[in-house]
Amino acid sequence: GAVVSQHPSRVICKSGTSVKIECRSLDFQATTMFWYRQFPKQSLMLMATSNEGSKATYEQGVEKDKFLINHASLTLSTLTVTSAHPEDSSFYICSARDPSGHGTEAFFGQGTRLTVV
Amino acid sequence: SQELEQSPQSLIVQEGKNLTINCTSSKTLYGLYWYKQKYGEGLIFLMMLQKGGEEKSHEKITAKLDEKKQQSSLHITASQPSHAGIYLCGADNTGTASKLTFGTGTRLQVTL
Repeated sequence: GAVVSQHPSRVICKSGTSVKIECRSLDFQATTMFWYRQFPKQSLMLMATSNEGSKATYEQGVEKDKFLINHASLTLSTLTVTSAHPEDSSFYICSARDPSGHGTEAFFGQGTRLTVV
Repeated sequence: SQELEQSPQSLIVQEGKNLTINCTSSKTLYGLYWYKQKYGEGLIFLMMLQKGGEEKSHEKITAKLDEKKQQSSLHITASQPSHAGIYLCGADNTGTASKLTFGTGTRLQVTL
């Protein structure tokens, strides 16, 4: 089945620095990818929709200047947390759907645990 | 916006017992997805339901979607320690199975 790979799986950064998270579709092309955030013991909250070749669409309350999304190719979307603060510490996970597949399930990456110290 | 509620929030069952997790939507669903997540890890796709009254089974897990397509249940028969984890239901509001709204999750523990 389709596979979505996320990197890194864990990252620790200092407050004020920026961190980039990659989301790759390994065996299919994804014109759209989705970025979610999950706080401890809570469900996933959609942050933004990443669109290949155009600007991302952010959900209400998500700061677009803080969470920069780039979808430069059909297999790669990146999420950059800029000027990270401890409150940005969370589990970030991306998803994509294979538009050419017969199935309609959304495939998720392994997630990235970000800790800002 | 989509309202999706899951119950119970947490569940502790003895190995071998059956259990049911419910997911209720305030709106009619295009599709309802069930995922399993180990804490701090990615989501594992379990099942997807689209048609009213649909029921699917995989190994010891059965999921159903009601006729009105607003409520789904996930039933595990003869639970095992390997079933432990967080179960999430996701609602498809667009019909494209891409952008999902998730329920609050159910944390399942299976005791020996």
